[in-house]
Amino acid sequence: NAGVTQTPKFQVLKTGQSMTLQCAQDMNHEYMSWYRQDPGMGLRLIHYSVGAGITDQGEVPNGYNVSRSTTEDFPLRLLSAAPSQTSVYFCASRRPGTTEAFFGQGTRLTVV
Amino acid sequence: KQEVTQIPAALSVPEGENLVLNCSFTDSAIYNLQWFRQDPGKGLTSLLLIQSSQREQTSGRLNASLDKSSGRSTLYIAASQPGDSATYLCAPNTGNQFYFGTGTSLTVIP
Repeated sequence: NAGVTQTPKFQVLKTGQSMTLQCAQDMNHEYMSWYRQDPGMGLRLIHYSVGAGITDQGEVPNGYNVSRSTTEDFPLRLLSAAPSQTSVYFCASRRPGTTEAFFGQGTRLTVV
Repeated sequence: KQEVTQIPAALSVPEGENLVLNCSFTDSAIYNLQWFRQDPGKGLTSLLLIQSSQREQTSGRLNASLDKSSGRSTLYIAASQPGDSATYLCAPNTGNQFYFGTGTSLTVIP
């Protein structure tokens, strides 16, 4: 049981490049979300999904796109990377309702 | 918007001490609150989940309490060990979103 798996662990992008951060979970959780963690700030919600085909914006969605075609996967796309998107990105999943959330190990992204 | 404050920001204690980490939040309309541990350069590990109807939850040497009406939660760590050194995050959940503080960085000195 792998839990929540994020790839890659590290990535360096040039300004303007695009990329996709991958997140997969094998717990059959309907709810998945993406957070970013910046120094001196708490984790902030980017986008979330309550099930396949359903996504919604969180607190800081600008510059990011998501889709949810399967229960297992929830990729995060950066369309045109900017230095302000340098951060550590975490994917989380849980079952619906008031249940425990599980987080991946994070993707450390640097945009130069 | 939910604001989460964790006090102290950093704590250094000798091994064996009992300690309390504090968390306060501004919006009491939460479903539950989860405490996490984060080691440097790592992800978040869930420690305890307290439902809004509960007053406390225990796991081993850890005990978390919740006073929803006053917007407070505490994490009590008994008989601290060097392996407890990490950053501890509390996160109230309002349904679709967990809100995070900046955490308490704990160092347990052998």
